[in-house]
Amino acid sequence: AQTVTQSQPEMSVQEAETVTLSCTYDTSENNYYLFWYKQPPSRQMILVIRQEAYKQQNATENRFSVNFQKAAKSFSLKISDSQLGDTAMYFCAFMKHEGAQKLVFGQGTRLTINP
Amino acid sequence: DVKVTQSSRYLVKRTGEKVFLECVQDMDHENMFWYRQDPGLGLRLIYFSYDVKMKEKGDIPEGYSVSREKKERFSLILESASTNQTSMYLCASSSQGLGYTFGSGTRLTVV
Repeated sequence: AQTVTQSQPEMSVQEAETVTLSCTYDTSENNYYLFWYKQPPSRQMILVIRQEAYKQQNATENRFSVNFQKAAKSFSLKISDSQLGDTAMYFCAFMKHEGAQKLVFGQGTRLTINP
Repeated sequence: DVKVTQSSRYLVKRTGEKVFLECVQDMDHENMFWYRQDPGLGLRLIYFSYDVKMKEKGDIPEGYSVSREKKERFSLILESASTNQTSMYLCASSSQGLGYTFGSGTRLTVV
């Protein structure tokens, strides 16, 4: 079975700083997807970024980028120029490429951006 | 944009009641999911469905059942609510490999 671990329960940074959220996972699969989701206080889970394991290039979405290290089974999220609206719970998640489209989530990291 | 709608944002039910949580999606997605979210535990899969009338157990199905009579609707049923089912319940739908679209969640309190 796959597992996802987020080792940082809480983080706090100042506005405009860069912050990196850690995620490691365990799987014997070779092809899979990795995701970062954001859950602000409004509770709506929002997809931040998606990575396909067979792609070497790290995914980026504006201020959000990932550092995907397949051999190390690591998938960290970097937020550049952090904004107050980035305050949220962030969940890392894993999905196998084939079969049932189940997402396996980490425990989450609560990120606070301070003014 | 895909929209996933959960019928209630907050619910308070009594122990032993039968509880229905409804979820509707509007983009013809094959897959639908029910998760519960608890602090420190992340999201845990209760049940999922990959087609009408098809369902599979997730990691924590005990005390729950589901129904999917139409493609757009996926219902979670608590047969006899208990206080340890007090939680946030999230519904989601997906198409192959694209990740999920989530509903806004239902915070259920069982008293």
